[in-house]
Amino acid sequence: DAGVTQSPTHLIKTRGQQVTLRCSPKSGHDTVSWYQQALGQGPQFIFQYYEEEERQRGNFPDRFSGHQFPNYSSELNVNALLLGDSALYLCASSLAGYLENEQFFGPGTRLTVL
Amino acid sequence: KQEVTQIPAALSVPEGENLVLNCSFTDSAIYNLQWFRQDPGKGLTSLLLIQSSQREQTSGRLNASLDKSSGRSTLYIAASQPGDSATYLCAVMEYGNKLVFGAGTILRVKS
Repeated sequence: DAGVTQSPTHLIKTRGQQVTLRCSPKSGHDTVSWYQQALGQGPQFIFQYYEEEERQRGNFPDRFSGHQFPNYSSELNVNALLLGDSALYLCASSLAGYLENEQFFGPGTRLTVL
Repeated sequence: KQEVTQIPAALSVPEGENLVLNCSFTDSAIYNLQWFRQDPGKGLTSLLLIQSSQREQTSGRLNASLDKSSGRSTLYIAASQPGDSATYLCAVMEYGNKLVFGAGTILRVKS
């Protein structure tokens, strides 16, 4: 049973560029959430996708956008990259309709903005 | 706004010691609380999940408790080992399946 997978593992970009990160949820899960973890901090919620729509959003600017595909996989897009966007981006999957469900995390994508 | 605090920020203990990590949260309207382990530069591994109606959960040498009314949780690690060295994160689940995390406790177990 494949867990949550993310690609790429590492990414280096320069300021002003755009980046796309990808996530495949755990088998049987239909909800994908994205988190940003800066060095030395806990993860911060970016947004959540269910049924191909953004269901919830954290305190992140519109430069951060996403998409969910019919197979439940998801992409996180960040435009006009800033140095402060350098972080570990984590994807988590869960099953909707079960409020107390456990979230499972992928290995993350390390983004470095130069 | 929910805030999660973890104490201590860092902890160094000799192998074999029992230890307690603390987590507090400001809003008791949570659905569950999860403890995660994170190795350097890696993703999160779920250790224990306590539903809002439960008081504690156990897995092997780990035991987590939850007191919703006081906004506190503890993670107890028995007979610590060098392989337990990692960052331990506490997170509460709010409405909509959103997790709010603490900053973590960095644990080092010395052999």
